[in-house]
Amino acid sequence: KAGVTQTPRYLIKTRGQQVTLSCSPISGHRSVSWYQQTPGQGLQFLFEYFSETQRNKGNFPGRFSGRQFSNSRSEMNVSTLELGDSALYLCASSSTSGGVKETQYFGPGTRLLVL
Amino acid sequence: KQEVTQIPAALSVPEGENLVLNCSFTDSAIYNLQWFRQDPGKGLTSLLLIQSSQREQTSGRLNASLDKSSGRSTLYIAASQPGDSATYLCAAYTGGGNKLTFGTGTQLKVEL
Repeated sequence: KAGVTQTPRYLIKTRGQQVTLSCSPISGHRSVSWYQQTPGQGLQFLFEYFSETQRNKGNFPGRFSGRQFSNSRSEMNVSTLELGDSALYLCASSSTSGGVKETQYFGPGTRLLVL
Repeated sequence: KQEVTQIPAALSVPEGENLVLNCSFTDSAIYNLQWFRQDPGKGLTSLLLIQSSQREQTSGRLNASLDKSSGRSTLYIAASQPGDSATYLCAAYTGGGNKLTFGTGTQLKVEL
């Protein structure tokens, strides 16, 4: 089975722009979660989508949004980029939402640099 | 609010040494505790998942233990190798979808 894929892998944007990141989960997985990783804050949960519905949301401003398509692929969007949005954005997939026995499988991440 | 910390933040050991990484969490009402490995600039690889009803899990040279009452988990690596060099992250799952609360990570370097 192919793993979780994220595109693009690297991105450079300027302040005020918006960006869209894409995540394709493992085939058959219906849950996609997004995380932001920075040196200062570590890994922080952004949101989770399951069967096209947002199930959970972290403590991030409304500039961060996402969606999930019927094929379980997910996109996250960040509008009005700020310098502090520079980070590695990771997505993770799993077959269920809230399975205590099941781990999540992470993609390689998209590294976003905001200038 | 769940908070997860890991000590030490960085560790350097000679090849062949056995070592222990520590993870502490504030809310003992967890469903599971997971350990991940992250290589520089890469995503996370799942190593072990311990359910709240379990005390430990083993995979090859890795052994993870969980003590909910004290809010602690440890990852034991036997006979360390240079290929084990990476950042190790623990994550607590307290329900509510697939939200994981991650620790701050331990950066491990195994030297020849």
